[in-house]
Amino acid sequence: SQQGEEDPQALSIQEGENATMNCSYKTSINNLQWYRQNSGRGLVHLILIRSNEREKHSGRLRVTLDTSKKSSSLLITASRAADTASYFCATDHSNYQLIWGAGTKLIIKP
Amino acid sequence: DVKVTQSSRYLVKRTGEKVFLECVQDMDHENMFWYRQDPGLGLRLIYFSYDVKMKEKGDIPEGYSVSREKKERFSLILESASTNQTSMYLCASRGQPLNTEAFFGQGTRLTVV
Repeated sequence: SQQGEEDPQALSIQEGENATMNCSYKTSINNLQWYRQNSGRGLVHLILIRSNEREKHSGRLRVTLDTSKKSSSLLITASRAADTASYFCATDHSNYQLIWGAGTKLIIKP
Repeated sequence: DVKVTQSSRYLVKRTGEKVFLECVQDMDHENMFWYRQDPGLGLRLIYFSYDVKMKEKGDIPEGYSVSREKKERFSLILESASTNQTSMYLCASRGQPLNTEAFFGQGTRLTVV
C-alpha cells in the first residue's frame, strides 16, 4: 500500500539553486526517511527523522517534519549536477514495512 | 562497507521460464525485502522475511515466491515468468531495531520476452 506522496513529480533547476521536495502521508509514523536513486541503480539512504523531531540537517540536506500536517520536506541547498537523481520518502510504521512514495525526479542544469 | 548484492544487474528471460533472483547481505540483518519498481508507482513490496525460513506476503505477491534458507540470502522466484513481470527488482535489508535505515542492492532489471 502506497502512503507517501511526493510533490512535485519532477523538478528542474539551475546548478547552485536550492531544491525543495515535499512528502505527505496518511497515518501516524515512527519515523520518515529520504532516499536517493541514481538512474537505474538501487536506493541510497540520505536521512531519517523521528516522529518527535521537527528538523534535521546532514551536510547540504535539511529535512523538516510536521506531524500535525502529516508532511515532510527535503531541502537540498546549493545544488550540484551530481544531485540529479530521483528522491523518495518512506514512512516507517509499527510493522516491518517502509511505505514508499512515487518519488520526485530532480534535474540539475549546468 | 556494508553491502547488499543482487546476483544480476540485467536479465532477459522468456515467458514461462522459472526465474531466480538472488540477494545476499553481509550485515547480519534479520529483515530482508523484495520490491519491484515501475515508473510512477514507486516501490511496491512483494515479500519480506524477518528471520530464516520466515516469510510474509507484501502488497503484490501474486506470481512470486521467496526462499530464505540462510540469514544472509533471500531469493525471489518467478514460478512462470510473464511479460507483466518485466520490471526493476530491488532487494533491501534492515537490522534491529526496525526503526533504522534500509540498505539496497543495485537492482536487477528483468525483461520477460
